[in-house]
Amino acid sequence: AAGVIQSPRHLIKEKRETATLKCYPIPRHDTVYWYQQGPGQDPQFLISFYEKMQSDKGSIPDRFSAQQFSDYHSELNMSSLELGDSALYFCASSTTPLGSSYNEQFFGPGTRLTVL
Amino acid sequence: KQEVTQIPAALSVPEGENLVLNCSFTDSAIYNLQWFRQDPGKGLTSLLLIQSSQREQTSGRLNASLDKSSGRSTLYIAASQPGDSATYLCAVHPAVGSYAGNNRKLIWGLGTSLAVNP
Repeated sequence: AAGVIQSPRHLIKEKRETATLKCYPIPRHDTVYWYQQGPGQDPQFLISFYEKMQSDKGSIPDRFSAQQFSDYHSELNMSSLELGDSALYFCASSTTPLGSSYNEQFFGPGTRLTVL
Repeated sequence: KQEVTQIPAALSVPEGENLVLNCSFTDSAIYNLQWFRQDPGKGLTSLLLIQSSQREQTSGRLNASLDKSSGRSTLYIAASQPGDSATYLCAVHPAVGSYAGNNRKLIWGLGTSLAVNP
């Protein structure tokens, strides 16, 4: 079965550089979520998109932006990178049958970003 | 504000033991609760999802229960094996406002780091 795909898997950047992370949700999933997990931390919700519109926003810095495209893939753009941005970035996708509250989120393998 | 706590933070057991991981949440208004497994530096693998109307879910040697009114869930692992060594996280999906398309983010606990020794 198809899973959530994230690219790249690993990324090394210098401070003040920019980075773009990509997420390809499971086919026919209508919602994409981005989470950030620092070392030894629980995942922190950044932002989500439902049918290509931003649906919820969490602790996403102003230096970060994201969007979901017509093919439902999503990109997280990170500018002016700081050392503290080093983390594992997860993308998840889900779909909700009409009239149901069932909402299992399926996670990608993550992108490990290291800022030097 | 929904908060999720997992106890214990770390657990070390000999192979073959049955064990219980605990998850508690402060607000019983949830749509569902998910248990995940995370290997060091790796991605998140969904183990079980319990909807708010359910009491338990089972998958192989794993059994998760949910007591929504008391804000608790337990993950029971039977006959533990060294391959079960990982961090186990629980996450709740809060029932906040309108469901459709909004407020779907998960709220996470910090996890229980499990080591099963051969």
